[in-house]
Amino acid sequence: GESVGLHLPTLSVQEGDNSIINCAYSNSASDYFIWYKQESGKGPQFIIDIRSNMDKRQGQRVTVLLNKTVKHLSLQIAATQPGDSAVYFCAGIGSARQLTFGSGTQLTVLP
Amino acid sequence: NAGVTQTPKFRILKIGQSMTLQCTQDMNHNYMYWYRQDPGMGLKLIYYSVGAGITDKGEVPNGYNVSRSTTEDFPLRLELAAPSQTSVYFCASSPAGRGGTDTQYFGPGTRLTVL
Repeated sequence: GESVGLHLPTLSVQEGDNSIINCAYSNSASDYFIWYKQESGKGPQFIIDIRSNMDKRQGQRVTVLLNKTVKHLSLQIAATQPGDSAVYFCAGIGSARQLTFGSGTQLTVLP
Repeated sequence: NAGVTQTPKFRILKIGQSMTLQCTQDMNHNYMYWYRQDPGMGLKLIYYSVGAGITDKGEVPNGYNVSRSTTEDFPLRLELAAPSQTSVYFCASSPAGRGGTDTQYFGPGTRLTVL
């Protein structure tokens, strides 16, 4: 079956440093990926997306990289701030246009 | 736009009770979804709908029912609550199917405890 997972359940970074959160997927047919941020007690919030015909996409302070050869994507957050502390999920669209979510990485920003 | 709204925010049920979780979106999205999220885990799809009058099972549909009589509303029904249904439930909608992206927009969630 399809699966989307993350490499590390937790990640701690110093405020101002860059963060890199990784994700692997198994379904070669996935053609669309989304990164979500979930703060405690809230629903997932869209951060950035990327289609499979791209290998990089940039937003404000965030960059998503997609490596289809090894079925891996990453989220890079520049100059990490305390407000970036949250759980980050990658999700992939597969068959029937359904999202499959990974288990999440808890990002903690240290002062 | 209010986006996706869910009610109630919290609920405690006794085993065997029933309840309906409400979800409404005002973005005129065709696609709507219900997920559950267990502690420390990702989201699992319960049911989804690609338009009014159309619903389909997701990954974990047992113990739940849905209906979609209007574009805006997508209620989730628990008929005989069980402790295994203790979770946080999220509703989402997407502009997919109308030339929009597959990005899903989530409501704030309903925290359900079954005792």
